[in-house]
Amino acid sequence: DTAVSQTPKYLVTQMGNDKSIKCEQNLGHDTMYWYKQDSKKFLKIMFSYNNKELIINETVPNRFSPKSPDKAHLNLHINSLELGDSAVYFCASSHTSGGAGELFFGEGSRLTVL
Amino acid sequence: EDKVVQSPLSLVVHEGDTVTLNCSYEVTNFRSLLWYKQEKKAPTFLFMLTSSGIEKKSGRLSSILDKKELFSILNITATQTGDSAIYLCAPLIQGAQKLVFGQGTRLTINP
Repeated sequence: DTAVSQTPKYLVTQMGNDKSIKCEQNLGHDTMYWYKQDSKKFLKIMFSYNNKELIINETVPNRFSPKSPDKAHLNLHINSLELGDSAVYFCASSHTSGGAGELFFGEGSRLTVL
Repeated sequence: EDKVVQSPLSLVVHEGDTVTLNCSYEVTNFRSLLWYKQEKKAPTFLFMLTSSGIEKKSGRLSSILDKKELFSILNITATQTGDSAIYLCAPLIQGAQKLVFGQGTRLTINP
């Protein structure tokens, strides 16, 4: 029973294409996140949503658009993909009502842009 | 700008050795500090430290936080090959509810 699941796990695509990554959590958490991990293994936050409301948008190009249809789902759509978008994208969730708890991560989606 | 520095970046030891991993931070609105272990895929949670000087232990792993000097250490005793991983520390920022990750320490345990 996967707690935070994201699909697809691997994505290889050409520059200029548009792609989406989906994320779902079954932990009942109220906050979801997208993090990007580059080739040097730095994990950097991109977005967070609390109860479907955007809370954090960290200087991410507007080619990246998150969408949260409900608090258990947070999808990431990327337009006009560029070589520098190649990375592993991690979805995460946490319970923040009443104080922050630890983040639970999905297994990552490795995006390769050719 | 929030800053997290981990050291060493890479460490190779033999099974049975004890290791100490360091994490120093400068962030605004600090709430707590978390340690994660990342093997091949998702980072998995190890510890959350909120108070200074109180050691948290889980088996052979332990960690402590110094909020005055702005650092934390993670100790692993009697290391095993299964401890090989990247260890990440991340202060949690109050209000923004975000983790700011360090670049990680890549630990390799040789048999």
